[in-house]
Amino acid sequence: EAQVTQNPRYLITVTGKKLTVTCSQNMNHEYMSWYRQDPGLGLRQIYYSMNVEVTDKGDVPEGYKVSRKEKRNFPLILESPSPNQTSLYFCASATGSSAYGYTFGSGTRLTVV
Amino acid sequence: KQEVTQIPAALSVPEGENLVLNCSFTDSAIYNLQWFRQDPGKGLTSLLLIQSSQREQTSGRLNASLDKSSGRSTLYIAASQPGDSATYLCAARSTDSWGKLQFGAGTQVVVTP
Repeated sequence: EAQVTQNPRYLITVTGKKLTVTCSQNMNHEYMSWYRQDPGLGLRQIYYSMNVEVTDKGDVPEGYKVSRKEKRNFPLILESPSPNQTSLYFCASATGSSAYGYTFGSGTRLTVV
Repeated sequence: KQEVTQIPAALSVPEGENLVLNCSFTDSAIYNLQWFRQDPGKGLTSLLLIQSSQREQTSGRLNASLDKSSGRSTLYIAASQPGDSATYLCAARSTDSWGKLQFGAGTQVVVTP
């Protein structure tokens, strides 16, 4: 089944403790992206990647890191999480063709205390 | 920079009535436009995708139109059902920023029995 898989689905952590949210897609998509969703602010892009070893900042990149060493994986790293990074996070992937849209993962609900 | 607006923010209709959801975008250089459904606390389910060269797309009771000249897309849901209650999001992908999906804030729909 074609899908984007995020792990974990739920995570509670403490301020300053480094964490990684994994994202993997099995569709050989070139584009991958991370979004966060907050009440009243909607979905905002954190980082995106056009292909292996090519990443760029989205609208809200502060406090996050990403890497794209393999085409299928695009982990999101929070080196020193803070409470304002408590949010619902989505990973998504797409091909370069305009005939196909983005596929989203099921989301990761992160709470930083 | 592409900006996407959805009006109204919330909508309540009785079962059986047709739903009309509006999406406006500022940059007509659209690569494609995607409509999503999101249930509370859940992930994004893709409903329809319209390519730049298309005027509309249909899937079952859903029909989405695209008018680039006026910067608008409309999602029609025929004969609404209580199960259609959800938040509907439109998202535009621009030709000069293929990696980015710019989201509107969404329209929260309630269909009452």
